[in-house]
Formats: sequence, C-alpha cells, structure tokens
Amino acid sequence: GQQLNQSPQSMFIQEGEDVSMNCTSSSIFNTWLWYKQDPGEGPVLLIALYKAGELTSNGRLTAQFGITRKDSFLNISASIPSDVGIYFCAGPFPLSGNTPLVFGKGTRLSVIA
Amino acid sequence: DVKVTQSSRYLVKRTGEKVFLECVQDMDHENMFWYRQDPGLGLRLIYFSYDVKMKEKGDIPEGYSVSREKKERFSLILESASTNQTSMYLCASKDYGYTFGSGTRLTVV
Repeated sequence: GQQLNQSPQSMFIQEGEDVSMNCTSSSIFNTWLWYKQDPGEGPVLLIALYKAGELTSNGRLTAQFGITRKDSFLNISASIPSDVGIYFCAGPFPLSGNTPLVFGKGTRLSVIA
Repeated sequence: DVKVTQSSRYLVKRTGEKVFLECVQDMDHENMFWYRQDPGLGLRLIYFSYDVKMKEKGDIPEGYSVSREKKERFSLILESASTNQTSMYLCASKDYGYTFGSGTRLTVV
C-alpha cells in the first residue's frame, strides 16, 4: 500500500524548545491530517489540511500542506511536558472515493523538563 | 462527542485460540475500521466496513476476519491466534473525521 515517510522517528527535546517534523509521500494527497497519540490511548486529531499551501494553527501547533501536495509539516512551539507522545501524519488514499486513511510510522516526542 | 469503545484494554490469549475484539460506536457512523499498531511500523489497516454486512480488506488482512451485523458494532476476529498477532489493535469510526478507541493490547502466548 501507499507509504507516508515521517521524520524524525524520535526526538528528545528540552522543555520550551520548538519542534519540527515532516511527512512525505511519493504520491499526491488531497488531505493531510496530523494526529497525536498519548501513551495508552488512541490517536486524536490535531490539525486537518485540505488545500495545497494551506497553513493552519491550533494553539502552539502549526501545520502546513506542501505546495507539491506530496508533503506536510508540523511545528510545535515552546514545548511542554504534555506534548510527549507519538505524532502521526495521515491522509486518505487512494484519492477517489470513500477511502480509508494511510498513516506514517510516527514521530515519538520526548520532552525533558 | 463521538465515543468509540473497545471492550478490552488488555487481553492475553493462547496460540490457536479464537479471539474476538469488539468495537462499538455511539454516533450511527457508517464507516468503521480496524488498525494494528506495532513499534516502528505505525498504524496498518486490517479491515474496514462502509455499512452493515459490508467488509473490505485493508493492507494486512491475512489471519483476520471481521463481522458487522449491526451498524454500531464492528468485530475483529482472529480465527487461530498466533504469536505474530501480538499487537495493539485500534478501532476507528468515521463520519466527517476519524475517532479512535483507546485500543486493545493483545498478547498471544
């Protein structure tokens, strides 16, 4: 199936630092979604992007839909301990029809107080 | 808020057992999904369903089957559990967006 490549695989950062992660694909996507999974829970949607070039914020989180439609970026500003978790990018693929989401392998974020 | 409930948070089963993982959603969604999550592999789609009695194979259906007799319930079945099916299983329901359950961590010994 279609693969989404996320990087980095894991990050260890100091509290207060900014974080950047990205997701790339060999195919075009019409929607990019970013999820966060807290330990022991299911993923929860953070941000949804629907248009190439779109930049959307949700509090300290900002995500962008790449112009090529083959990538997306998530930034977290001024990290805090509760940002710890696994962040996944996802998108429906193939593009046509009512298709399920494909997920990246995730970026595991650890925040050191 | 939509609620997706997975009946067990933790399960331990023996090799060869038939295992049922249950998922119930309370918002009359037509679309439901089963994913498995393994470290370093992300979420991989096992099966999904767009309506009652409908099912579609995902990327890794081998060793699994599903049942959707009622709209609110989507069951994942391991006909004969094997150790390589030890994993976290996540159910999701979709209307406009996806809502996930809290997951079932299955260990097959």
